[in-house]
Amino acid sequence: EAQLLESGGGLVQPGGSLRLSCAASGFFFERNDMNWVRQSPGKGLEWVSGISALGGYTYYAVSVKARFTISRDNSKNTLYLQMNNLEADDTALYYCARGRPIDFWGQGALVTVSS
Amino acid sequence: EIVLTQSPGTLSLSPGEKATLSCRASQSFSSTFLAWYQQKPGQAPRLLIHGASTRATGIPERFSGSGSGTDFTLTVSRLEPEDFAVYYCHQYGSAPYTFGQGTKLAIK
Repeated sequence: EAQLLESGGGLVQPGGSLRLSCAASGFFFERNDMNWVRQSPGKGLEWVSGISALGGYTYYAVSVKARFTISRDNSKNTLYLQMNNLEADDTALYYCARGRPIDFWGQGALVTVSS
Repeated sequence: EIVLTQSPGTLSLSPGEKATLSCRASQSFSSTFLAWYQQKPGQAPRLLIHGASTRATGIPERFSGSGSGTDFTLTVSRLEPEDFAVYYCHQYGSAPYTFGQGTKLAIK
């Protein structure tokens, strides 16, 4: 059974940094594009970033470009999102999501940016 | 960036009725890269439709998708109580990928 388990969320001050991790199991991680999608409290879905199966291509939403970096370690079946210079508007539940189209989601990691 | 605009924002219907949800794109793109998701409170989204019209595994036949170019539609032929949720369209053909703002399907 496929699983995606996010970790690394928490409370951080504006301007701070955080790294999210997503541990994948139950499927061939290295064969799938992966994504991060976020959802602010009470709001809709926002695609944040994506990475190709072998990591050669990365994509970002305009709102996070130059601040966030997506990466993956296929030997560890793990996806990452390095988030720098965080802003209040980055407060959200961050989902790790498999595929293109996205066909499987984790349960999310909560990131709160506040002083 | 392709902006997706969903309408209506809220659709109030009764079980047994037909629901028609719209997703309009700011520019044309291949229907191969249009998906629909359902999200219930406290849950992650669930893939319903990909490629504009292909039902995902396990999705009931009452859900159907159509459209091309800039106009796409999700139809639920006869609403069941469990269908009341928020629905999102999503384009994954042109980065940055984007979601619509969602349509809430509410019980009348």
